[in-house]
Amino acid sequence: DGGITQSPKYLFRKEGQNVTLSCEQNLNHDAMYWYRQDPGQGLRLIYYSQIVNDFQKGDIAEGYSVSREKKESFPLTVTSAQKNPTAFYLCASSILAIRTGNEKLFFGSGTQLSVL
Amino acid sequence: EDKVVQSPLSLVVHEGDTVTLNCSYEVTNFRSLLWYKQEKKAPTFLFMLTSSGIEKKSGRLSSILDKKELFSILNITATQTGDSAVYLCAVAETGANNLFFGTGTRLTVIP
Repeated sequence: DGGITQSPKYLFRKEGQNVTLSCEQNLNHDAMYWYRQDPGQGLRLIYYSQIVNDFQKGDIAEGYSVSREKKESFPLTVTSAQKNPTAFYLCASSILAIRTGNEKLFFGSGTQLSVL
Repeated sequence: EDKVVQSPLSLVVHEGDTVTLNCSYEVTNFRSLLWYKQEKKAPTFLFMLTSSGIEKKSGRLSSILDKKELFSILNITATQTGDSAVYLCAVAETGANNLFFGTGTRLTVIP
């Protein structure tokens, strides 16, 4: 059963702490994305990766970092530099990068991050 | 400025009603418009539209695109409580590696 798995479902961060959100896919997709969803706002792109060992900043990358060491995995670290991290985080993937005409995204079930 | 605007922001209807959700957009090099349904967590794909005037249909859901007037509508007929969700509209631009998302329309169907 192919899909995208995000963990944990809920995460709490203390002041000054870095936390890492997991995203794993078994769809054999090359491209992966991290979006942030806030109430009353559209999904905003944090980072994306077109291929293994490559990633680019999206519209709101400040205070976040990512890695793409394996095709299946694209973890997101929310650093202490992100001053307003409380949000719902969605990971997505597509067969190839959106700019190649592969704009159909498949989403995980998300992680709700809250600040203690 | 908002590139994708959805209306209404929220909607409450009774089972059996028909609803129309709207999505207008303003992008330079339009390639496609996508609709997603977000019930609790994961958005799930509904439709992708690239050509004007061609209706896409799946059961009680249908959608159409007007590239001249820069909007799309999503119709749901004979609504059921299971249609309650946030419906997201997104637009892809040629050459861009991102989708522009609207804020979504929250639909609530009451028995």
